[in-house]
Amino acid sequence: EIVLTQSPGTLSLSPGERATLSCRASQSVSSSYFAWYQQKPGQAPRLLIYGASSRATGVPDRFSGSGSGTDFTLTISRLEPEDFAVYYCQQCDSSPPTFGQGTKVEI
Amino acid sequence: EVQLVQSGAEVKKPGESLKISCKGSGYRFTSYWIGWVRQMPGKGLEWMGVIYPGDSDTRYNPSFRGQVTISADKSITTAYLQWSSLKASDTAMYYCAAHNSGWYGGPFDHWGQGTLVTVSS
Repeated sequence: EIVLTQSPGTLSLSPGERATLSCRASQSVSSSYFAWYQQKPGQAPRLLIYGASSRATGVPDRFSGSGSGTDFTLTISRLEPEDFAVYYCQQCDSSPPTFGQGTKVEI
Repeated sequence: EVQLVQSGAEVKKPGESLKISCKGSGYRFTSYWIGWVRQMPGKGLEWMGVIYPGDSDTRYNPSFRGQVTISADKSITTAYLQWSSLKASDTAMYYCAAHNSGWYGGPFDHWGQGTLVTVSS
C-alpha cells in the first residue's frame, strides 16, 4: 500500500501567517486522486481539497492545494483562528486508499 | 442536503458482537459509495472499506477484511458496520462517510458525526 508521510508533525504559527503543509507519497499518485481534509477537536473530518488542487464546496479560497507525483502541498495563505486544526492528506489512487498521519496546526 | 446520522456510543465487553449504523438522507442512497473510517484514540484516520448500495458491491481494506462486515439496507437508506467478536483494540471512533466518485476509493465529501465504540472488560 502507498504510505503518505506528512511534515511537519506540528506547525506553530500565529493568525495571519501563511501555513505550508507537505505530504510525500511512497510511490507516484495521480493528482486526480489526491485529497486534503481538516479535522477539528471533537469533530468529523471535512474534505478541503480534491484532485490535488480543487476546493470542495464551501471551502474558503485561502486554502489551496498543489503538487504531483509524490509531493503534494496544502497552503493556507493567511491563517484564521478557525483554521487551527489537524490536516490529513489522502491518496485514493491505489487500493487501499490511505491517509497521512496528520499535521497539527497550532497557535 | 446530504446528511449521514450515526447510531450512538457503545460500551461492550471483549468477545461481544456489535452492529453500528449510519442513516443517509438528502441524496440518492443507491448512487453513492458509503464507507467507514476508523480513528483510534489520539491517532489518525484509517480507511476500512465501502459499499455501493445500488448493487451491494463491497470493498475492504485488506487490514480489515475478515475483522468486520460492511452492509447496507437500501430500503431504509442505512449502512452498517459489524463485528462478531470485539477486541479491546477495536476501541475507537468510527465515522461513516460517502462520495459519488466513479472510483470506489474516491475522497469522502460527506461525513457522519462518528460513533465511539469502547471495548473493555
